[in-house]
Amino acid sequence: EVQLLESGGTLVQPGGSLRLSCAASGFTFSTYGMSWVRQAPGKGLEWASTVSDSGGNTYYADSVKGRFTISRDNSKNTLYLQMNTLRAEDTAVYYCAKHMAGATTFDYWGQGTLVTVSS
Amino acid sequence: EIVLTQSPATLSLSPGERATLSCRASQNLRNYLAWYQQKPGQAPRLLIYDASKRATGIPARFSGSGSGTDFTLTISSLESEDFAVYYCLHRYNWPLTFGPGTKVDIK
Repeated sequence: EVQLLESGGTLVQPGGSLRLSCAASGFTFSTYGMSWVRQAPGKGLEWASTVSDSGGNTYYADSVKGRFTISRDNSKNTLYLQMNTLRAEDTAVYYCAKHMAGATTFDYWGQGTLVTVSS
Repeated sequence: EIVLTQSPATLSLSPGERATLSCRASQNLRNYLAWYQQKPGQAPRLLIYDASKRATGIPARFSGSGSGTDFTLTISSLESEDFAVYYCLHRYNWPLTFGPGTKVDIK
């Protein structure tokens, strides 16, 4: 059974940093692309970032480019999102999502971790 | 950036009725479109991928159609558990974008 478990969400001040983690199990982690998708309170879904299976290719939404860094450790079956220079508008539930084989379609999602940026 | 427009914003229907949800893209997506269902407090769930392929475990009452710029998600006969918000997502190029969602609520 595929499981994705996010952690690291908390209250952080504007301008601060945070690292989110997503522990994966139930599939061969190193052979699938992974993404972070976020959802501000009461709002819709927003794709934030994607990393290829090897970690060699990364992609970012303009809203996070230059501030967020996606990475993965295939030896630990874990996905990361390093978030720097956080803003109030980054407040959201952050979901990690597994890709389907060979496609940027998210077939499994974690339950999410809440990041609140506020003073 | 490809913009996805979903209509209607809200669809009020009764159990047993047919639901037809639309997703329109600002440029040709071929068939690179997926549909997701999200219930309050839950993560999204994949329903349809590549415009018309049902994901694993999704009931046959859910179907997707369309290509290019116009796509449709149809729920043939609404069950109580189908009242939720539905999002479309394209994977044609970067950045990936979601539509704003259609809420299907109980009439």
